[in-house]
Amino acid sequence: AQSVSQHNHHVILSEAASLELGCNYSYGGTVNLFWYVQYPGQHLQLLLKYFSGDPLVKGIKGFEAEFIKSKFSFNLRKPSVQWSDTAEYFCAVGPNAGKSTFGDGTTLTVKP
Amino acid sequence: EAGVAQSPRYKIIEKRQSVAFWCNPISGHATLYWYQQILGQGPKLLIQFQNNGVVDDSQLPKDRFSAERLKGVDSTLKIQPAKLEDSAVYLCASSWGQGNTEAFFGQGTRLTVV
Repeated sequence: AQSVSQHNHHVILSEAASLELGCNYSYGGTVNLFWYVQYPGQHLQLLLKYFSGDPLVKGIKGFEAEFIKSKFSFNLRKPSVQWSDTAEYFCAVGPNAGKSTFGDGTTLTVKP
Repeated sequence: EAGVAQSPRYKIIEKRQSVAFWCNPISGHATLYWYQQILGQGPKLLIQFQNNGVVDDSQLPKDRFSAERLKGVDSTLKIQPAKLEDSAVYLCASSWGQGNTEAFFGQGTRLTVV
């Protein structure tokens, strides 16, 4: 059975601080990994994805994530957060972007 | 391009009543998904359609939930009868195909069962 664990339920940062959100997964098949973001009042949208190749993937708005196979991890990073990054972030794993198992999410609050 | 449309946005019903949600995917998207997101949890896949056929409904509680996509375009998800634990946001998503393509989510329908 596949599962995704996001260790931080709520993270509070000041603007310009660096961000790292943890994601660990358990999955038996070919690993495709995703990070989604949900801004307040908006729909879920894809932030970045890993299918194969370079384990360091870059997404929109300055986010990046690193796939570490030996650690079953896909942590999300951003060197300097902005107030507008306040949102809920979901890690997901699955055979494709739509058919995925999601983690329970991390709420990020960025203080101006 | 227009996004995934869902209606209604909010619904409050009493337990044992029935309810239906509607989803219109992005034009041309062959694959459609319904997810259930309970408060404090991540979305959980209920059913996947490819055109008008069901690809995966292994996590759909079939004793009370049903879904259809008769013409391979829009879809409805029904709950009958509803239970308190069905209170959640029901998300619809669509993608071009089943492969490594991006899925686009609607804003969801928030169901409260009282």
